[in-house]
Amino acid sequence: QVTLRESGPALVRPTQTLTLTCDFSGFSLSTSQMCLAWIRQPPGQALEWLALIDWEDDKFYSSSLMTRLTISGDTSKNQVVLTMTDMSPVDTATYYCARRVAGTFDFDYWGQGARVTVSS
Amino acid sequence: DIVMTQTPLYLPVTLGQSASISCRSSRSLVHKDGNTYLSWLHQRPGQPPRLLIYKVSNRFSGVPDRFSGSGAGTDFTLEISRVEAEDVGVYYCMQARQSWTFGQGTKVEIK
Repeated sequence: QVTLRESGPALVRPTQTLTLTCDFSGFSLSTSQMCLAWIRQPPGQALEWLALIDWEDDKFYSSSLMTRLTISGDTSKNQVVLTMTDMSPVDTATYYCARRVAGTFDFDYWGQGARVTVSS
Repeated sequence: DIVMTQTPLYLPVTLGQSASISCRSSRSLVHKDGNTYLSWLHQRPGQPPRLLIYKVSNRFSGVPDRFSGSGAGTDFTLEISRVEAEDVGVYYCMQARQSWTFGQGTKVEIK
């Protein structure tokens, strides 16, 4: 049974760095074709892909946000961490982690999401 | 970046009737491996999205056969036959040909 759960601060001040953690179970990120992504959704808006890490520890970033994002994985803990620097109110959103099986399923399992508000 | 455009953005439907959502990509979604990486997701209010259709026309595990996907190249369609109350929410198309981008979403409501 695949499960994912996001955790992190609910409130972040402008200019601060956001750190989010995705704890997952039911698969290993070191298994061939397994990937984990971060996707966000501002209130009432569409989904936006942010970053992805794959089974070979290759990392991919949204072209519009790549200077602010870092994704990392810890296969021993079944955990993936996303950091986003220089937060601003437009970054207020629900942040999801989701699994991808390369070549087959894109985002077949999702966490419940972590709601993050950026405000002073 | 590949831009995904959905129509309509709002779709009122009658229970038991069919519904259709279109999605157009700014570039062909055919990958060099021969696959076309177009998926459809459904999001109910307050819930995370869930995968319905992958690679244009393949239903994900547990998805009712009332849902079907079709299309090729840059034009794709999601059909819902015999709409049920649980089908309300927002439907997104998503491409995975080059990075990942989503359509704006189509909100489906019961008339």
